[in-house]
Amino acid sequence: GENVEQHPSTLSVQEGDSAVIKCTYSDSASNYFPWYKQELGKRPQLIIDIRSNVGEKKDQRIAVTLNKTAKHFSLHITETQPEDSAVYFCAAEGNSGYALNFGKGTSLLVTP
Amino acid sequence: EADIYQTPRYLVIGTGKKITLECSQTMGHDKMYWYQQDPGMELHLIHYSYGVNSTEKGDLSSESTVSRIRTEHFPLTLESARPSHTSQYLCASSPTGGINTEAFFGQGTRLTVV
Repeated sequence: GENVEQHPSTLSVQEGDSAVIKCTYSDSASNYFPWYKQELGKRPQLIIDIRSNVGEKKDQRIAVTLNKTAKHFSLHITETQPEDSAVYFCAAEGNSGYALNFGKGTSLLVTP
Repeated sequence: EADIYQTPRYLVIGTGKKITLECSQTMGHDKMYWYQQDPGMELHLIHYSYGVNSTEKGDLSSESTVSRIRTEHFPLTLESARPSHTSQYLCASSPTGGINTEAFFGQGTRLTVV
């Protein structure tokens, strides 16, 4: 099945700095790559996603880039704020487009 | 309001008991998933379904079963609970095809096996 690797596992940045989280996937047939944010004690929620026919997508301070040839995609958060502190998960839709497989998560801490 | 609901939210049971975790969604989604997650940790895919009468196994499926008799309902059953099953279980659903295929998660069931 699909294997999604995510790095780093923890990331600490100063408020206002940028944060970058990287993921790689194994199934070249994957075509959907969402990012989820999970705050402490809450359920994961989608923050941005990208499809294989697009190289980059932005939504205010958040952007995602995709390199299909290298099979990796990244989340970029600019001008980070303390409320960005959470665990972030990347995912890839695996074989036959049916299973959503997640990376191990990145715990982001933004310090004032 | 369209959402995905899990019951119970919290459950403490004894070793060897059979339990069923309930998941229902009112969004008309075809795909449904079960994930196991320790707090702040990796989401492990247990089972998934892409429609009525379809079920597929994920990485951690060997000790549980699921059924999908109705589109909106996807219960997870542990035949014989063990302390190693202590974890949070998250159900999710997503639509098939189209532009928006966002997966929505339920609030989770926190299971403790003593």
